[in-house]
Amino acid sequence: SQQGEEDPQALSIQEGENATMNCSYKTSINNLQWYRQNSGRGLVHLILIRSNEREKHSGRLRVTLDTSKKSSSLLITASRAADTASYFCATDNQAGTALIFGKGTTLSVSS
Amino acid sequence: GAGVSQSPSNKVTEKGKDVELRCDPISGHTALYWYRQSLGQGLEFLIYFQGNSAPDKSGLPSDRFSAERTGGSVSTLTIQRTQQEDSAVYLCASRIGRGEGTEAFFGQGTRLTVV
Repeated sequence: SQQGEEDPQALSIQEGENATMNCSYKTSINNLQWYRQNSGRGLVHLILIRSNEREKHSGRLRVTLDTSKKSSSLLITASRAADTASYFCATDNQAGTALIFGKGTTLSVSS
Repeated sequence: GAGVSQSPSNKVTEKGKDVELRCDPISGHTALYWYRQSLGQGLEFLIYFQGNSAPDKSGLPSDRFSAERTGGSVSTLTIQRTQQEDSAVYLCASRIGRGEGTEAFFGQGTRLTVV
């Protein structure tokens, strides 16, 4: 399957620290997305990076993509308690009929 | 509408009963997806609609699960003869065009509890 796999599964840090989450996938992709989920409900799109991009920034978020290693990372700088959530990477399947999600990283930021 | 709307937010049903979950996508979004998320787990893809057609139903776990979409808009997911293992949060998402390569917008989900 083309499912992304995130690691670590869980991450606990202090406010102000940086948080890095990694995602690996299995087949070639055109793009990769990161989403955030609070309290096990709706997901919110964070950022999309295309296969011809190596790095992308959005506010305190930095995403990298290494297509040779089939991996991506999400860096949240200067974390806040409000960043506490689960983070998922997602890629479209080969047929373009499904956005497939990894199992997610649960981030806990304590003040 | 302004966002993806799902109803009900919570549903408690007795084992063996049928349930219907509703999703109202963002107006104009032709791609619609249903996912299931068990407690502490990732999202499990169920079905993809493009307009009123469902070209990918590969994720439906059994023939007790079915979904339809009418008018290229509202979709309902029906679970017949519910079992306890059906307890989960059911999430709906919509995307523009064919969906591929675009942002997915999610509803807040329906938490289904089968007792």
